[in-house]
Amino acid sequence: DTAVSQTPKYLVTQMGNDKSIKCEQNLGHDTMYWYKQDSKKFLKIMFSYNNKELIINETVPNRFSPKSPDKAHLNLHINSLELGDSAVYFCASSLDPRRETQYFGPGTRLLVL
Amino acid sequence: GNSVTQMEGPVTLSEEAFLTINCTYTATGYPSLFWYVQYPGEGLQLLLKATKADDKGSNKGFEATYRKETTSFHLEKGSVQVSDSAVYFCALSGGSYIPTFGRGTSLIVHP
Repeated sequence: DTAVSQTPKYLVTQMGNDKSIKCEQNLGHDTMYWYKQDSKKFLKIMFSYNNKELIINETVPNRFSPKSPDKAHLNLHINSLELGDSAVYFCASSLDPRRETQYFGPGTRLLVL
Repeated sequence: GNSVTQMEGPVTLSEEAFLTINCTYTATGYPSLFWYVQYPGEGLQLLLKATKADDKGSNKGFEATYRKETTSFHLEKGSVQVSDSAVYFCALSGGSYIPTFGRGTSLIVHP
């Protein structure tokens, strides 16, 4: 009964490949997020969807494309992977996009070789 | 825009020592304030929160008080344990859609 789940947990791939990370939440939340955490633990918000509508689209290379097929799912597709994309990617959800607690997934550790 | 500043780490303490991790913020309006904790290899999880001025959030022996006059939300614990070793993030949300996190403070507790 995991609240926010992500797959895969680990992803090792070559430069130039395309990969996707999937996220699902069973909390009934309306808002979902993608974050990137670097090796120094700095957390950068990338995207957010509220009721399947994109509400946050931070300065991120357009090789990154989110997709929300429904309120419970938010996927992240990355084209033409680069070395600098190596990081931990976290999905999170919250009841609404303002003032509410976020619930984080366990993270996807991406290593680009 | 909104911002959160928290003390740089690592903070290294002996077991049973007193912990303070400072956090100050800049925001318009009246944001909600949070402390999240990230244990090694895991995602962030809520430690405590406060939604209005003078509220005190508390959990697992940790406390933080929402001080609007000093725009601060410092995290404290009277007696830390080895199991408290983790990275602690101060965060705010409210007003804009964009949640704002501090850079994280690593806490290392030695036996």
